[in-house]
Amino acid sequence: NAGVTQTPKFRVLKTGQSMTLLCAQDMNHEYMYWYRQDPGMGLRLIHYSVGEGTTAKGEVPDGYNVSRLKKQNFLLGLESAAPSQTSVYFCASSSSRQVQYFGPGTRLTVT
Amino acid sequence: AQRVTQPEKLLSVFKGAPVELKCNYSYSGSPELFWYVQYSRQRLQLLLRHISRESIKGFTADLNKGETSFHLKKPFAQEEDSAMYYCALNGRGSQGNLIFGKGTKLSVKP
Repeated sequence: NAGVTQTPKFRVLKTGQSMTLLCAQDMNHEYMYWYRQDPGMGLRLIHYSVGEGTTAKGEVPDGYNVSRLKKQNFLLGLESAAPSQTSVYFCASSSSRQVQYFGPGTRLTVT
Repeated sequence: AQRVTQPEKLLSVFKGAPVELKCNYSYSGSPELFWYVQYSRQRLQLLLRHISRESIKGFTADLNKGETSFHLKKPFAQEEDSAMYYCALNGRGSQGNLIFGKGTKLSVKP
């Protein structure tokens, strides 16, 4: 059981470039989440999904898009990266309203 | 509005001293509260949830509905407890979404 995995671990982008972060879970969880972690701000929810084919906006969705085509995968896309999106991104999954399990994080720098 | 407040950004104690990390919440109803911990360069992991009423790594937390608090306590801090601690709230109807506090960095000095 790998739990929650994230790809890539690190990435440096130039302003305006695009990229996709991949989150995968092998626990058959219905719920999946994308957070960003910034110093002094804690974790803020970007988007979430309550099941395959569904997505919803969280607290800070602007500049990001997501897709949940398969139950085990949750993709986070940045269409045109900005320096303000420099952050550590965490994916999490949970079964219904149970405990959330987090991935190892992706450290993204936008120059 | 649902909100979690952790008033201390940084808490520094000496090894063997008691530690209390404060967490206050704002929620009308019966909240579900958690403490998550993040050791250096690692993923977040669950430390405690209030409904379990258990002690993990010597830490305990009691929900006080009157004071709307869920403070994390340990009688004797260890150096390996140094980490970032996040209090989180899962309110009814939130579809499992957690609302996190901004976190408290605990530093345990030798």
